[in-house]
Formats: sequence, C-alpha cells, structure tokens
Amino acid sequence: QKEVEQNSGPLSVPEGAIASLNCTYSDRGSQSFFWYRQYSGKSPELIMSIYSNGDKEDGRFTAQLNKASQYVSLLIRDSQPSDSATYLCAVLNAGNNRKLIWGLGTSLAVNP
Amino acid sequence: NAGVTQTPKFQVLKTGQSMTLQCAQDMNHNSMYWYRQDPGMGLRLIYYSASEGTTDKGEVPNGYNVSRLNKREFSLRLESAAPSQTSVYFCASMGLRYEQYFGPGTRLTVT
Repeated sequence: QKEVEQNSGPLSVPEGAIASLNCTYSDRGSQSFFWYRQYSGKSPELIMSIYSNGDKEDGRFTAQLNKASQYVSLLIRDSQPSDSATYLCAVLNAGNNRKLIWGLGTSLAVNP
Repeated sequence: NAGVTQTPKFQVLKTGQSMTLQCAQDMNHNSMYWYRQDPGMGLRLIYYSASEGTTDKGEVPNGYNVSRLNKREFSLRLESAAPSQTSVYFCASMGLRYEQYFGPGTRLTVT
C-alpha cells in the first residue's frame, strides 16, 4: 500500500513566523511531488510542484525534496493569517503516472 | 479560461434517487478524475479517465458510474443514492507535468 503521511496538526504559528510542513512517502520510485492549499469549504489549489532534489522557491513558499529520505517539505516565510488552511501533500504514483497519492493534510493556523 | 467547472454546487437527494454530476475542463487535458472528500478520510479517488475513451476504477468505485463524454467532459452518476454517499465531490484534470487542477466541488447530502 503506497502511502503519504503528514502530521494532521493543527500547526499554530504567530504571524510573521516561518511555518514548516512535512510529508513522507513510501513509493521510492516517485518522481513528482505537489503541495496544495485547501481553505475550508473550498477545493484544493496547487501552490508548489517539485521534481528534483533540493529547494524550489516561489515567493514566500519554498518546497524541499529529499528523495533518498523520501521526504518533502513546504516552508512558508512571513506567515500571514490568510495562510491559515489545510495543506495537502501529493505524490505521483510511480507505477501509474495518471494517479496521485494524497496525504490527509496538515491544518495550519496563523495567529495575528 | 474557466479551468475545471462542476455542476451542481449543492444537491440534496433522498435515498434511492439517482443523479449525475457534471464536469468539464477547457485546458485540453487528457486525464480527468472524480474524488470524494470526507472529514478525516482525505481525498479518495472514485474513478478516473486517463484519456478520452477510457475509464478506470479508483479506490472507492462502488455505487458510482462514470462517462467520459468527450475530451472536455467527464460525468459521475449515482444510480441509487445511499446516505454513505453524502460527501463533497471534486472533479480534477491533470496537466502536462502531472499536476492536478480541481473544480469547485459539489456538496451532496443523501437523506
């Protein structure tokens, strides 16, 4: 059973701090990794994708990938109350590249 | 570009009734998906269509049928709704780098 694991949270950080969200996966052959943000009552929205080891930065977001450790993380710098949401990690199924394997998500609360 | 659209946004059904959820995408994507999302259960794949003319079962296909009408449209049908099918349903399509884009969702209640 291929799995993606995330801490459910809630993760609570003060406004302006760095929020660190983590994800581990079991499918060693996975090559594509995604972070989605989901506000309450809304659909998941893609915020970052990463395909190679190392860091990828986009504005206040940095995704980090370590394939050897089967670990992907998302850092949110200068956290804002508007970042309060559930963050979903998704990993491309190495055996079927039409399917993503989803984590259950981490709830983030940014306190003013 | 509208992206992925879904209708209806909300629906209440009685047990045993049938309905079809509609989904369309205007991004020329080959692959489309139907998920359901329940509290504590995350996103669960019901059916997907890797390309026009093909459909495959996901994790939780029982009680559902799908039709890939053309490249743009992928519908989900509940033939005889049950309270266990009360959920939020999302349609998605897959882009060129395996990323998925979601529609706004349908909130379905079966009483």
